[in-house]
Amino acid sequence: GENVEQHPSTLSVQEGDSAVIKCTYSDSASNYFPWYKQELGKGPQLIIDIRSNVGEKKDQRIAVTLNKTAKHFSLHITETQPEDSAVYFCAASGAQAGTALIFGKGTTLSVSS
Amino acid sequence: EAGVAQSPRYKIIEKRQSVAFWCNPISGHATLYWYQQILGQGPKLLIQFQNNGVVDDSQLPKDRFSAERLKGVDSTLKIQPAKLEDSAVYLCASSFTGGAAGYTFGSGTRLTVV
Repeated sequence: GENVEQHPSTLSVQEGDSAVIKCTYSDSASNYFPWYKQELGKGPQLIIDIRSNVGEKKDQRIAVTLNKTAKHFSLHITETQPEDSAVYFCAASGAQAGTALIFGKGTTLSVSS
Repeated sequence: EAGVAQSPRYKIIEKRQSVAFWCNPISGHATLYWYQQILGQGPKLLIQFQNNGVVDDSQLPKDRFSAERLKGVDSTLKIQPAKLEDSAVYLCASSFTGGAAGYTFGSGTRLTVV
């Protein structure tokens, strides 16, 4: 089955800096890769996703890149703000009906002002 | 639209006791998932329903965990008897399409087994 590895486990940056979180996956058939943000006491919230037919996707300060050959994908946050502090999870799955998400172990991002 | 509702928010029980969690998905969402999130780890799938049928329960410890989704709407997850290692947040999620896209999570139930 699918296995998702996520690095780093913790990341501390200064406000305004960029943050990059990387994930690798094992199943070459996986074709859907979302990123979730989880704040304390809340459930994970989808912030951006990418499918295997796309190499990069941006949404304001957030971008995701995918390298299918190397089976890795990354989350890039630019101009970080204190409210970006949270735990971020990557996940992977086949996007066909009946396929559940497999999550990485998470990255705790701390943005200091 | 209303989100995924879960209750209770917190539960503390002694080992060997039983506990049940409830989830009400977003209206119209056919697929419902239960995930277990141990502190410091990512969510781990326990069971996936499509309407009221089970799609995947391969990671559900069936000797102590059970789940049902009567009438294809609300779902309950039960643990009997609980062990210390069951301490975790239990997350419910739902999606409309049945695929992995479009997951919406509830806020979860934090279970502490003492």
